[in-house]
Amino acid sequence: SQTIHQWPATLVQPVGSPLSLECTVEGTSNPNLYWYRQAAGRGLQLLFYSVGIGQISSEVPQNLSASRPQDRQFILSSKKLLLSDSGFYLCAWSPKFRNQPQHFGDGTRLSIL
Amino acid sequence: DQQVKQNSPSLSVQEGRISILNCDYTNSMFDYFLWYKKYPAEGPTFLISISSIKDKNEDGRFTVFLNKSAKHLSLHIVPSQPGDSAVYFCAARSGSARQLTFGSGTQLTVLP
Repeated sequence: SQTIHQWPATLVQPVGSPLSLECTVEGTSNPNLYWYRQAAGRGLQLLFYSVGIGQISSEVPQNLSASRPQDRQFILSSKKLLLSDSGFYLCAWSPKFRNQPQHFGDGTRLSIL
Repeated sequence: DQQVKQNSPSLSVQEGRISILNCDYTNSMFDYFLWYKKYPAEGPTFLISISSIKDKNEDGRFTVFLNKSAKHLSLHIVPSQPGDSAVYFCAARSGSARQLTFGSGTQLTVLP
């Protein structure tokens, strides 16, 4: 069966520091991969998605970037964190077929001080 | 602009009874709808989905109903169990869009 791993579960970082969140998927190949953010009191917002290695699409302009160095690895990064980057970050995967659900990891709670 | 709305932030139901969670949407381009369950400190877990060509989909204790004319979606859980207590999110997607648009969630509490 397929599983998705996301780490770390919680992270506290100072303003201006770099960020790297990692997500890996097991049990499937060539998945679509996604990064979402949930800010406090708001719904889930899609940040990035990827249909293949090195292929990244950004949904919103922001301070973050994403990379997909391997088929089942998706990384969310920042060179300098802002206070507004605080939130709950979720990685998800889905098969490439139409009308298939996205499956989420357990998320990373990021607090910027 | 909330395109997917869950107007009830919370719902309490007695064990064994039916739980009905509701969701309304405004975007007529949505053609695929999903329900997720979320426990604290975990990511959303996919429960059940329905495409716009259907009006009902059933999986065990979970049934999703879609009323396209009313732009309304509901999730029925029968019978409700204490382990069903969680936050339930409805979500929708249009065409080939990658983005899932989520509602704000409903906290379901099933009382023993």
